[in-house]
Amino acid sequence: DQQVKQNSPSLSVQEGRISILNCDYTNSMFDYFLWYKKYPAEGPTFLISISSIKDKNEDGRFTVFLNKSAKHLSLHIVPSQPGDSAVYFCAASAPVQGGSEKLVFGKGTKLTVNP
Amino acid sequence: KAGVTQTPRYLIKTRGQQVTLSCSPISGHRSVSWYQQTPGQGLQFLFEYFSETQRNKGNFPGRFSGRQFSNSRSEMNVSTLELGDSALYLCASSLNPGISGNTIYFGEGSWLTVV
Repeated sequence: DQQVKQNSPSLSVQEGRISILNCDYTNSMFDYFLWYKKYPAEGPTFLISISSIKDKNEDGRFTVFLNKSAKHLSLHIVPSQPGDSAVYFCAASAPVQGGSEKLVFGKGTKLTVNP
Repeated sequence: KAGVTQTPRYLIKTRGQQVTLSCSPISGHRSVSWYQQTPGQGLQFLFEYFSETQRNKGNFPGRFSGRQFSNSRSEMNVSTLELGDSALYLCASSLNPGISGNTIYFGEGSWLTVV
């Protein structure tokens, strides 16, 4: 049962335009959301996060929007650059037994930014 | 400072064998977690260690085990390897356990192929 879903396996965008990556989740216990970027042969790199008490968080060209009622979040990249071409993972954190937390990842969206 | 270091980077094992993967966290980081990445399942949480104690475990069979040493270095072991264990195994470290407000850094991973 996929609790975090990235329904678009791939996305292609022109350089300079906006890239919008989407993510849906099913578990209402998720209280913190993150986006990671992954290049081939490298580990995921943290991009941006958002707490469930907010609906927007911005960091430079990256903005994450959270719609709790729709259980949906999105990552906007403006303007998109060829170096942004990578696989983007959406992840959510949920509290687990014992006071710990774990990350649940989506399967990723491959973004290609064309020059 | 050095990032998360995983060894070996690549290895090939035969069904039925066992394998040990090693992870050295960023200096000063005391929390280490492990993830398995496969094309079909994406990134899945294996376990998390903090101060030599396993705080959390994902939904993997008992063939998957791990430990953390007093210097925060961690190892994971997979016994009786199956073809389906072929995957990229990622280690991540952070200053403290948990997710919220705690940046998690990933290593480049260990590519395991079971033949």
